[in-house]
Amino acid sequence: NAGVTQTPKFQVLKTGQSMTLQCAQDMNHEYMSWYRQDPGMGLRLIHYSVGAGITDQGEVPNGYNVSRSTTEDFPLRLLSAAPSQTSVYFCASSLVTSGSSYEQYFGPGTRLTVT
Amino acid sequence: AQSVAQPEDQVNVAEGNPLTVKCTYSVSGNPYLFWYVQYPNRGLQFLLKYITGDNLVKGSYGFEAEFNKSQTSFHLKKPSALVSDSALYFCAVSGTYKYIFGTGTRLKVLA
Repeated sequence: NAGVTQTPKFQVLKTGQSMTLQCAQDMNHEYMSWYRQDPGMGLRLIHYSVGAGITDQGEVPNGYNVSRSTTEDFPLRLLSAAPSQTSVYFCASSLVTSGSSYEQYFGPGTRLTVT
Repeated sequence: AQSVAQPEDQVNVAEGNPLTVKCTYSVSGNPYLFWYVQYPNRGLQFLLKYITGDNLVKGSYGFEAEFNKSQTSFHLKKPSALVSDSALYFCAVSGTYKYIFGTGTRLKVLA
């Protein structure tokens, strides 16, 4: 049972490049989410999904796309990287019921630098 | 709109002393409240949660938290701090599928 895995661990991009951050979980969780962590700002929700084929925007969705074709995978796409997207990105998953999620399990994070 | 506030950026406590990390929340309806801990260069780890029931919730590593509805608070506590408790602590609230995290409190336990 690997939990939540993320790849890559580190990435450097040039402004304007695109890339996909991968996230996978093997706990059969319905809910998956992406956060970015910036100093002094805590974790901010980018996008989330409550099941395959269902995604929605979080607090800071601009510049990011997601899709959820399977329960296990929830990739995050940066369409045209900008320096403001330099951050640490975390993927998380959890069970969900009645509009709220339970405790989340986090991946180890991806440290992204955009130059 | 739901929100979470952690009023202290950093809390310092001597080893062996009790510790408290504060959290207040604003949410409509019944809140699901959580505490997480983050060690350097790691993802967040779940500590404890309040969904319903007893206002005093016990969690991992000897931590507990008290839910106070009238004060809309969910403070994290531990009777006796360890140096290994030094880390970044996040309070979070979940409602309508969106998780909102506080800005985090850095706990420093001094030997």
